[in-house]
Amino acid sequence: AQRVTQPEKLLSVFKGAPVELKCNYSYSGSPELFWYVQYSRQRLQLLLRHISRESIKGFTADLNKGETSFHLKKPFAQEEDSAMYYCALKNLGGSARQLTFGSGTQLTVLP
Amino acid sequence: EAGVAQSPRYKIIEKRQSVAFWCNPISGHATLYWYQQILGQGPKLLIQFQNNGVVDDSQLPKDRFSAERLKGVDSTLKIQPAKLEDSAVYLCASSLQIGGGASEQYFGPGTRLTVT
Repeated sequence: AQRVTQPEKLLSVFKGAPVELKCNYSYSGSPELFWYVQYSRQRLQLLLRHISRESIKGFTADLNKGETSFHLKKPFAQEEDSAMYYCALKNLGGSARQLTFGSGTQLTVLP
Repeated sequence: EAGVAQSPRYKIIEKRQSVAFWCNPISGHATLYWYQQILGQGPKLLIQFQNNGVVDDSQLPKDRFSAERLKGVDSTLKIQPAKLEDSAVYLCASSLQIGGGASEQYFGPGTRLTVT
């Protein structure tokens, strides 16, 4: 069974400080990993996916298969980064290819 | 482009009552998903449609939940009868395809259900 763990429910950092949101996964095959974000009063939306290897809004995430982790990082946090962040895993086998979400981390960037 | 639409946005019912949710996906999106998000948890997939066929409903409590997508466009999710533990936000999402680059899921605003 696939599982995604986000160990921090709440995370607060000051503006300009680095931020890292942790995500660990368990899956026996080759997964595809994503970060989704939900800003206040907005819809859940895709932030980035590991296969794109891109930086979105200054955020990056590297898939570490040895540690089964996909931590989200930003060197200098901004107040507008305050949101709920969900790590998600998609199984690439089978026809369904469903997304499994972690329980989320609420990031608050303090002024 | 218009996003995924859902209605109603909020619903309060008593336990043992029935309730239905409606979803209109983004035009042209073949795949439609229903998720249940209980407070403090991430979304959990209930059912996944490809056009009007069910691809995965392994986590749908079929004794009380049902869903359909008759013409491969709009979908309804029904709960009958509702239990207290069904209180959650029900999210609908759609994507062009299941896999590959066109598999990004776009989410609707959700329906917040409270069962009293």
